[in-house]
Amino acid sequence: GAVVSQHPSRVICKSGTSVKIECRSLDFQATTMFWYRQFPKQSLMLMATSNEGSKATYEQGVEKDKFLINHASLTLSTLTVTSAHPEDSSFYICSARGDSLEAFFGQGTRLTVV
Amino acid sequence: AQSVTQLGSHVSVSEGALVLLRCNYSSSVPPYLFWYVQYPNQGLQLLLKYTSAATLVKGINGFEAEFKKSETSFHLTKPSAHMSDAAEYFCAVSEGGSEKLVFGKGMKLTVNP
Repeated sequence: GAVVSQHPSRVICKSGTSVKIECRSLDFQATTMFWYRQFPKQSLMLMATSNEGSKATYEQGVEKDKFLINHASLTLSTLTVTSAHPEDSSFYICSARGDSLEAFFGQGTRLTVV
Repeated sequence: AQSVTQLGSHVSVSEGALVLLRCNYSSSVPPYLFWYVQYPNQGLQLLLKYTSAATLVKGINGFEAEFKKSETSFHLTKPSAHMSDAAEYFCAVSEGGSEKLVFGKGMKLTVNP
């Protein structure tokens, strides 16, 4: 299957700082990318959907100004958690979808805000 | 709106025993159904998917699932559990191949020696 690389896999940051997470499709063009958040022992909650060159569509309850999503190319999307706080600590997962129906997932990023 | 129900949160089986993970869905249009596996601190890997073709779907690692419209179910099975099957399993639905996947809460599978 296709490969989606997410970086970093783990990050610890201080409260009030911003953190950028990258999601790259390595061997296909991802017309659509998705960002999920997963709380411990819970399911994945879709945060936003982004199409290349367009503004992201955020799910209800997700703060657009806090979780900035950029999808500037067909192989890269970034999620920036701005002014992070401890409650933003979570596991963030991206997925990418090209021409096929299948969405391929990145390895996830464990964010800890201290 | 579509939804997925995975009753319970944990299943424990012995190595070599049958694995059965239940999934029921709700969808207003013909659904596409998926099973994903997640190992600790990793992303999701697709096990198998149903996209309106054959109702019995075979996936990777010996897993299979059967789509039963009358029961709105898509249960995942494997005849003989292996220690390496221990992981978290998520059922997901999308409406007719739409972009959004809606996930169930997940089921942790433990395999005992």
